[in-house]
Amino acid sequence: NAGVTQTPKFQVLKTGQSMTLQCAQDMNHNSMYWYRQDPGMGLRLIYYSASEGTTDKGEVPNGYNVSRLNKREFSLRLESAAPSQTSVYFCASSLAETRIYEQYFGPGTRLTVT
Amino acid sequence: AQTVTQSQPEMSVQEAETVTLSCTYDTSESDYYLFWYKQPPSRQMILVIRQEAYKQQNATENRFSVNFQKAAKSFSLKISDSQLGDAAMYFCAYRSAPLSNFGNEKLTFGTGTRLTIIP
Repeated sequence: NAGVTQTPKFQVLKTGQSMTLQCAQDMNHNSMYWYRQDPGMGLRLIYYSASEGTTDKGEVPNGYNVSRLNKREFSLRLESAAPSQTSVYFCASSLAETRIYEQYFGPGTRLTVT
Repeated sequence: AQTVTQSQPEMSVQEAETVTLSCTYDTSESDYYLFWYKQPPSRQMILVIRQEAYKQQNATENRFSVNFQKAAKSFSLKISDSQLGDAAMYFCAYRSAPLSNFGNEKLTFGTGTRLTIIP
């Protein structure tokens, strides 16, 4: 049971390049989330997916797209990377069938855009 | 929209002593959940403790306990007998309680408090 996995762990992009961050969970969770973490700002929600086939915008969705490929996988795509997207990205998942649950986080991807 | 404020960017404590990290939040909701997450240098986000707003009793998990003051919208974390492994960033987070349509339970985080343990 690996929990939430993310690939890659580190990435350097040039402005204008595109890339996809991959996230997978093996806990049979319904909901999945993408956050970004910037110094002094905590974690902010980019997109989330309540169930397979559905996605919704979070607090900071501009410049990103997501795909909920199946119940296990939720990817985040940067179509044209900008220096403002330099950040640490976290994927999380949760079992949204009861009132009481927690979000489980992946190890993060550190992205630098030059 | 809900907001979470952590007014202490950095705290330090002597090993084996007790430290309290502060968190306040703003909401118009009556039913919600509050969490403290720990982020060590490895970057992994680890849940430390959670509190359900409808419960008056403060949550405890071993050396970690909270002081939940609903009327004051305050949710502080107390770490007793501090250990070197407690050194980390600590984030307070808020989540609405789902009335229905499970899956939209987004977390709102504070900006974090960096805790240093002095040997």
